[in-house]
Amino acid sequence: GENVEQHPSTLSVQEGDSAVIKCTYSDSASNYFPWYKQELGKRPQLIIDIRSNVGEKKDQRIAVTLNKTAKHFSLHITETQPEDSAVYFCAASIAGSARQLTFGSGTQLTVLP
Amino acid sequence: NAGVTQTPKFQVLKTGQSMTLQCAQDMNHNSMYWYRQDPGMGLRLIYYSASEGTTDKGEVPNGYNVSRLNKREFSLRLESAAPSQTSVYFCASSLAGQEQFFGPGTRLTVL
Repeated sequence: GENVEQHPSTLSVQEGDSAVIKCTYSDSASNYFPWYKQELGKRPQLIIDIRSNVGEKKDQRIAVTLNKTAKHFSLHITETQPEDSAVYFCAASIAGSARQLTFGSGTQLTVLP
Repeated sequence: NAGVTQTPKFQVLKTGQSMTLQCAQDMNHNSMYWYRQDPGMGLRLIYYSASEGTTDKGEVPNGYNVSRLNKREFSLRLESAAPSQTSVYFCASSLAGQEQFFGPGTRLTVL
């Protein structure tokens, strides 16, 4: 089955700096890659996703890049703010009516004021 | 719309006891999922239901059963709880091939 590895497990940045979180996946058939943000004690919420027919996608301060050949994808957050502090999870799945997401182990991002 | 709701929010069981976690969605989604979240391990898929009337195993199905009661409701049952099932359980739902929306979670402790 699919295996997703996520790095780093913890990341501290100064407010206003950029943060980058990287994930690799094992199944070349995977074609959908969402990123979820989870605040302490809350549910995971989708912040951005990318499909394998696209190399990059941006939404304001958040961007995701995908390298299908190398089987890795990354989350980029620019101009970080304290409210960006949370755990971020990457995931991967193949096409299907019900997407069986395989999640990475998460990155605890702390934005220092 | 309430989105995805789960009951109960918290539960403590003794080893060997049984219980059912309830999940409901009001977004007319076809697909529903059950995940467990353990510290440092992300979320792992237990079971899913692509559409009403179908259920399939995910990554970690052992010790669990599910029922897709109707389009809105998807329950997870622990027949004989074990300490290894102590976890936070999330239900999610989606339209076919689209974003998954998560419920608020159930924190389960098995003593």
